[in-house]
Amino acid sequence: AQKVTQAQTEISVVEKEDVTLDCVYETRDTTYYLFWYKQPPSGELVFLIRRNSFDEQNEISGRYSWNFQKSTSSFNFTITASQVVDSAVYFCALSEAGYSTLTFGKGTMLLVSP
Amino acid sequence: SQTIHQWPATLVQPVGSPLSLECTVEGTSNPNLYWYRQAAGRGLQLLFYSIGIDQISSEVPQNLSASRPQDRQFILSSKKLLLSDSGFYLCAWSDGGASLPEQYFGPGTRLTVT
Repeated sequence: AQKVTQAQTEISVVEKEDVTLDCVYETRDTTYYLFWYKQPPSGELVFLIRRNSFDEQNEISGRYSWNFQKSTSSFNFTITASQVVDSAVYFCALSEAGYSTLTFGKGTMLLVSP
Repeated sequence: SQTIHQWPATLVQPVGSPLSLECTVEGTSNPNLYWYRQAAGRGLQLLFYSIGIDQISSEVPQNLSASRPQDRQFILSSKKLLLSDSGFYLCAWSDGGASLPEQYFGPGTRLTVT
């Protein structure tokens, strides 16, 4: 069975601090996908990134970076120089190959204060 | 480009009244479609998903039902609402060919049952 754990319920930082959101997953499949979504106060979930299980390269997109480590079953998300607009709930999710559904973690609420 | 619409944006309904939430997708064909509910606790609960017309899977037994009258239209219904049906309802779509497994979400409907 699939499982996604986001142990951090809420994180508070001050603007310009770096922050890392943790995600640990469980799956028996060898082919799977990992995702991060952002849910700002408006409510709509915004897709941020997809990672395939066979591609462990880390990825950087502006202030965002993702660290995928199969050895520890983790897919962590780092925001560098956080901004107030980064305040949101962030969800990590997992999908096994051949399945149409995603398994979501419970989310981490990030509060960035000025 | 693809867009997903949901309406209404907000809804206040008395207990025992019927419900109909609509979701439509533009710019793609044969998408997978999903209904999620997000209660105050923030977690996302998958309610229904559909891989085609007349192919709907229910994830959680409850007094809600879903229908897909057209390829890009997904409707969530209830004959009699309960207080526990209050929440934020999100519709999502993904590529039906599963080559792109990520889901894209609509703006959501905030339902309050009084």
